[in-house]
Amino acid sequence: DTGVSQNPRHKITKRGQNVTFRCDPISEHNRLYWYRQTLGQGPEFLTYFQNEAQLEKSRLLSDRFSAERPKGSFSTLEIQRTEQGDSAMYLCASSFTGGGYEQYFGPGTRLTVT
Amino acid sequence: KQEVTQIPAALSVPEGENLVLNCSFTDSAIYNLQWFRQDPGKGLTSLLLIQSSQREQTSGRLNASLDKSSGRSTLYIAASQPGDSATYLCAVRPSGTYKYIFGTGTRLKVLA
Repeated sequence: DTGVSQNPRHKITKRGQNVTFRCDPISEHNRLYWYRQTLGQGPEFLTYFQNEAQLEKSRLLSDRFSAERPKGSFSTLEIQRTEQGDSAMYLCASSFTGGGYEQYFGPGTRLTVT
Repeated sequence: KQEVTQIPAALSVPEGENLVLNCSFTDSAIYNLQWFRQDPGKGLTSLLLIQSSQREQTSGRLNASLDKSSGRSTLYIAASQPGDSATYLCAVRPSGTYKYIFGTGTRLKVLA
């Protein structure tokens, strides 16, 4: 068990470009969350997967954001037409049924939009 | 709408002191509450998870309590050490949802 991994760790992109981040949860974890965190703030919920089903999505999430979790394993978060306001740390967390929903977080992907 | 507040925003204490961090939430209808620590530029590390039916949880020098009816949780750290320096975040999962709502954290510095 190597924990939750996220790639890339850092991404610098120009405004208007598309970016995709990957999250690999702990192997037996069927629940996966994406959050966004800006400096000095707590993480802000983006979306939740149970196995491959996306069961909850923040109303704050614009249609430029999309997430997938094919086959209930790894997940990807794509941001289309990036804006400077998208600059943040993107965090992934996983948990498993029977674990009381205790979340385990990855190291995050830091996105900088120039 | 559930809101989570953490007070104080920052705290500096000498090594060895016992301390209490506070977390309050506006809606008592929660499924559980989780405490995390976050080191600068890093992800979050889970410290303690309290289910809505529980009053407290303990792990080593940490003790977290939950008073759901008053919308409050405290994290007690005994005999603080410089290695405890980090930002401490609490998060609640409102009933009927899967999401967690986080506070803005308490930045703790333990002085050697």
